[in-house]
Amino acid sequence: SQQGEEDPQALSIQEGENATMNCSYKTSINNLQWYRQNSGRGLVHLILIRSNEREKHSGRLRVTLDTSKKSSSLLITASRAADTASYFCASSGGSNYKLTFGKGTLLTVNP
Amino acid sequence: NAGVTQTPKFQVLKTGQSMTLQCAQDMNHNSMYWYRQDPGMGLRLIYYSASEGTTDKGEVPNGYNVSRLNKREFSLRLESAAPSQTSVYFCASTGQGRYEQYFGPGTRLTVT
Repeated sequence: SQQGEEDPQALSIQEGENATMNCSYKTSINNLQWYRQNSGRGLVHLILIRSNEREKHSGRLRVTLDTSKKSSSLLITASRAADTASYFCASSGGSNYKLTFGKGTLLTVNP
Repeated sequence: NAGVTQTPKFQVLKTGQSMTLQCAQDMNHNSMYWYRQDPGMGLRLIYYSASEGTTDKGEVPNGYNVSRLNKREFSLRLESAAPSQTSVYFCASTGQGRYEQYFGPGTRLTVT
């Protein structure tokens, strides 16, 4: 069964605004990752946060992790039209490197 | 480096036909995965191979078989295609001791 659930399912913002997407998961994890998927393309890894980390930054991306609430958020600052894509969280809870993906958030950034 | 490649890009099958989806990676990765993506469902793991010579079932393995041909190649076979297998199929790989996965461009399969 799907472990991660993203919220909202869809988000539409203007260029320059910040976009925040949330993810919840059900069982304990080793790490949580975020991926981007442009329409009709494969997924691209964005950032990984380990279970003992609370916040991580990469360029315009900021990820937080709250293991007590089993939730994570992805913040994209100063969004651009090129950020338009679907964003998925994926959690890893075992030693076999399997990922469980959420259903994704479709982000539309209007120019 | 080409990364992860998949063939074919598109395929239309009739119910009951069989086919094999091919996946190859040139990053010397140990682990490889097959997912299917359906609208509103995210990605679901079909099968994975933690290392050359091993394969294991994922979340939705029914109707599929896999072969880890060598370290580079991991194929997915549909023996008797059904309309419920209409989907986009993605192959992915990951390196030793790593968690981030690298994805291929996908195969869009329609079963009529």
